[in-house]
Amino acid sequence: SQTIHQWPATLVQPVGSPLSLECTVEGTSNPNLYWYRQAAGRGLQLLFYSVGIGQISSEVPQNLSASRPQDRQFILSSKKLLLSDSGFYLCAWSAFEWDTKNIQYFGAGTRLSVL
Amino acid sequence: GQSLEQPSEVTAVEGAIVQINCTYQTSGFYGLSWYQQHDGGAPTFLSYNALDGLEETGRFSSFLSRSDSYGYLLLQELQMKDSASYFCAVSFNYQLIWGAGTKLIIKP
Repeated sequence: SQTIHQWPATLVQPVGSPLSLECTVEGTSNPNLYWYRQAAGRGLQLLFYSVGIGQISSEVPQNLSASRPQDRQFILSSKKLLLSDSGFYLCAWSAFEWDTKNIQYFGAGTRLSVL
Repeated sequence: GQSLEQPSEVTAVEGAIVQINCTYQTSGFYGLSWYQQHDGGAPTFLSYNALDGLEETGRFSSFLSRSDSYGYLLLQELQMKDSASYFCAVSFNYQLIWGAGTKLIIKP
């Protein structure tokens, strides 16, 4: 069965510090991978998605970047965090095959507080 | 642009039936999905409608009408554990376009 791991669960970082969040998927090959951010009580904002190694699509210009160094690994980074980067970050995967449902399966999330 | 609208909050009584609506202003999508998210947790997939009509999964049903640009999630025999936020989303190539979510409050 497929599983998705996302860590850490909670992170407190000072303004101006770097960030690296990692997400890995097991039990499937060539998944579509996604990074979302969710503000408290709000909907999901798509940040990045990837359909293959080294292929990253950015949805919102911002202080963050993403990389996919391996097929089932997706990394979210920042060189210098801003207060506005605080939020709940979610990684998700969906099957690559021609599946128009695009059912997405989410990791447990990382709650980031920038102080 | 593409947008989906949901009520921000719905209140219902335990054991009752509740309907959460989703209206959209978009076209060319493959289908309409529903996700559930408990406080502090991650969204989980509930239901998907590719075609117009009703899809039933246990106590949950979902409906889509493309001609009316409208869908809904129906929850029956409400239980306290159904207290959560519910999101509708439409699927395009590789992406989901999400609604802002509806917080369902259940009273005993």
